[in-house]
Amino acid sequence: DAKTTQPPSMDCAEGRAANLPCNHSTISGNEYVYWYRQIHSQGPQYIIHGLKNNETNEMASLIITEDRKSSTLILPHATLRDTAVYYCIVRGGSGNTGKLIFGQGTTLQVKP
Amino acid sequence: ETGVTQSPTHLIKTRGQQVTLRCSSQSGHNTVSWYQQALGQGPQFIFQYYREEENGRGNFPPRFSGLQFPNYSSELNVNALELDDSALYLCASSPGLAESSYEQYFGPGTRLTVT
Repeated sequence: DAKTTQPPSMDCAEGRAANLPCNHSTISGNEYVYWYRQIHSQGPQYIIHGLKNNETNEMASLIITEDRKSSTLILPHATLRDTAVYYCIVRGGSGNTGKLIFGQGTTLQVKP
Repeated sequence: ETGVTQSPTHLIKTRGQQVTLRCSSQSGHNTVSWYQQALGQGPQFIFQYYREEENGRGNFPPRFSGLQFPNYSSELNVNALELDDSALYLCASSPGLAESSYEQYFGPGTRLTVT
């Protein structure tokens, strides 16, 4: 499974876009990029995932670089409720159980 | 709401005892995974079950075992509890197997404290 690197923490002003970067330089061609977040003491919440095209849903946008070695999760209008730990995970490939390998993630603090 | 429930919410056990944690997956989800999350750490994969068979295991000893039932419920059993087993235990269900692009939906977790 490819490893991901994320900054340990970030701040964002309420109402502004939050851009969370992730490096995954060893990603292989059939591995997906997943983003989850975890609000204190709750179960992780699925946000979005993608293979090579940019993706958007009601929660966020995922921008994957053309070489697929990095990606950015964008929360377009951050609110205080978006304060959480955000995990970028690379998953998939043949013979994989589909397990999610969580790193330390990025703690996003949204401030008023 | 993910439709995944876990019980109990909190549990206190004594070292050496055995514990059973329960998870109810979303209807139609035939894959369930269990994770252990120690304080301040990301979740760690314990094992996964697909159609009632173990389908992969993380770096956890055999005293961690599981069961999956046809009614989309599952159990995590831990024998001979150790103090380091104190953690938040999470189950996650998904509609398909493995390397496909299915997202996993997590339950709220069970907080286990071993004294």
